[in-house]
Amino acid sequence: AQSVAQPEDQVNVAEGNPLTVKCTYSVSGNPYLFWYVQYPNRGLQFLLKYITGDNLVKGSYGFEAEFNKSQTSFHLKKPSALVSDSALYFCAVRDPPERSNTGKLIFGQGTTLQVKP
Amino acid sequence: DGGITQSPKYLFRKEGQNVTLSCEQNLNHDAMYWYRQDPGQGLRLIYYSQIVNDFQKGDIAEGYSVSREKKESFPLTVTSAQKNPTAFYLCASSRTSGPSYEQYFGPGTRLTVT
Repeated sequence: AQSVAQPEDQVNVAEGNPLTVKCTYSVSGNPYLFWYVQYPNRGLQFLLKYITGDNLVKGSYGFEAEFNKSQTSFHLKKPSALVSDSALYFCAVRDPPERSNTGKLIFGQGTTLQVKP
Repeated sequence: DGGITQSPKYLFRKEGQNVTLSCEQNLNHDAMYWYRQDPGQGLRLIYYSQIVNDFQKGDIAEGYSVSREKKESFPLTVTSAQKNPTAFYLCASSRTSGPSYEQYFGPGTRLTVT
């Protein structure tokens, strides 16, 4: 069965420093991987996705993520954190269409990112 | 929050009452989804629909019902059988073909049942 783990409930980083939010997955075959961000009392906003191709994926607001198949990881990164990046971040995985056409996403439990001035 | 609207933003109900949450999308997406979000538990799938007049149960469908009479609408009813209905409910939609598989989310409805 598919699963996603975000091992850190909270990540604290100083403004201007690089940030990493970790995600590992367990899925058969080639996964489709996603990162979303959620601000308080709002819906989720799509940041980036990995479908195939280059292992380094660039997304919105300067975020990027590195797909590592051998470590089954898809960590979210940003070279220089902003206070406004403080939010709840979710990693998600789905089966590729050739395995399942339901489109169902499995979400991690979320990681709160706190960027301090 | 894209082209997905959810109403109302906040909803208060007494225990034992059914309540219907609205979700409308203008993205021409075939698939629509309902998730429940509780603190520390991430998002859990309640129901999903890939085509009009068809829907499937997700992981936590008990106590909920849906309909998909129109492509753009996917209302969720929280029935009195749902034991712990207080939560933040999120609706999403996505394409079912092509290179873009990400789901787009609405702003959510916070339901409080007392």
